[in-house]
Amino acid sequence: KAGVTQTPRYLIKTRGQQVTLSCSPISGHRSVSWYQQTPGQGLQFLFEYFSETQRNKGNFPGRFSGRQFSNSRSEMNVSTLELGDSALYLCASSLSDAYGYTFGSGTRLTVV
Amino acid sequence: GENVEQHPSTLSVQEGDSAVIKCTYSDSASNYFPWYKQELGKRPQLIIDIRSNVGEKKDQRIAVTLNKTAKHFSLHITETQPEDSAVYFCAASRNFNKFYFGSGTKLNVKP
Repeated sequence: KAGVTQTPRYLIKTRGQQVTLSCSPISGHRSVSWYQQTPGQGLQFLFEYFSETQRNKGNFPGRFSGRQFSNSRSEMNVSTLELGDSALYLCASSLSDAYGYTFGSGTRLTVV
Repeated sequence: GENVEQHPSTLSVQEGDSAVIKCTYSDSASNYFPWYKQELGKRPQLIIDIRSNVGEKKDQRIAVTLNKTAKHFSLHITETQPEDSAVYFCAASRNFNKFYFGSGTKLNVKP
């Protein structure tokens, strides 16, 4: 079966712009989580969605938001981009609250 | 919230030797501890996990141990091979729905 699919793979944006990243979980997985990965900060939790509801949220500013659709696909939006938002954004899905994550390949966002 | 610390940050071993990576966590309610391997330019992949009702788990050359009292868990890789070279992340979770990751260990296996 297909894995976790993230699009686009690479993105270059200018400061002040906004961006939307997409994640399609493994079929049947209802939980989708988003992480920001940077060399200095490691893997930082952004938020988790389950059945279209945000269930958990990390310590990121309100410029970072997300949503989940009825088919479990999820989007993450970052508004008013800053240089420090340059990172690899990873999406992970899980079957339920008894299983670990499967990560997607990530979207590498570069803000210039 | 949970705080996961991981050591060492880099580890260099000779092929065939063993490698041990250690993590500590702060939330005594954490009950699931996965380990992920991330090769350069690739996504993190789950290699082994352990739940709080188990003290040790093995899968071929990889093992994980958990000490709930001391709140630490470790990854053990025996008979290391060059393809084991990667960054390894530990994580801790309470009930699977929010994971806290360690800062990663870059393992270099020298042939």
